[in-house]
Amino acid sequence: QKEVEQDPGPLSVPEGAIVSLNCTYSNSAFQYFMWYRQYSRKGPELLMYTYSSGNKEDGRFTAQVDKSSKYISLFIRDSQPSDSATYLCAMKQGSNSGYALNFGKGTSLLVTP
Amino acid sequence: NAGVTQTPKFQVLKTGQSMTLQCAQDMNHNSMYWYRQDPGMGLRLIYYSASEGTTDKGEVPNGYNVSRLNKREFSLRLESAAPSQTSVYFCASSGRGRDTEAFFGQGTRLTVV
Repeated sequence: QKEVEQDPGPLSVPEGAIVSLNCTYSNSAFQYFMWYRQYSRKGPELLMYTYSSGNKEDGRFTAQVDKSSKYISLFIRDSQPSDSATYLCAMKQGSNSGYALNFGKGTSLLVTP
Repeated sequence: NAGVTQTPKFQVLKTGQSMTLQCAQDMNHNSMYWYRQDPGMGLRLIYYSASEGTTDKGEVPNGYNVSRLNKREFSLRLESAAPSQTSVYFCASSGRGRDTEAFFGQGTRLTVV
């Protein structure tokens, strides 16, 4: 079993919908949690980053971390066709340089006009 | 800002040929990573370097070698390419402490025939 699980989708929603993307993890040592967005044929780009439980908001995006349930979410409000991409969750054990990022497989999102 | 730069962007190799993928970052990051991305498999860690002078194996190191040339540069070498190494390769770097999120290059699309 991989340490980070993510439903690959694809997920298709109409423009304006609220999107919920989720990951679960098994390693309770993970402390840092990230969401990346990857457009086709491009490298992943950092979207949201948090190192505590609770919610973090940035514009239309909200990242939520529940360490007790080992569950993280990304919510996208008022989704736009430009949000169509693959979203990858990532997490890390600690701030020590010796720890590597662990990624989920990514969820493919399509927002239709 | 260049960020993370990978060369080449595309490459076709014949089975058994060797090549080196180059990666450089200008963010003064300590850690650098090599990932491969295949359909349905997500990002898988090949090797990483926590700091200059150190390297560690990731999830899929077989068939690859790495060199952390200096703080800026981290190269990935395929000694004898195989069709199973056809993939998109991403280099990433990250800092320490709270600045632990990773930044990615644009990828190298490698085809082994």
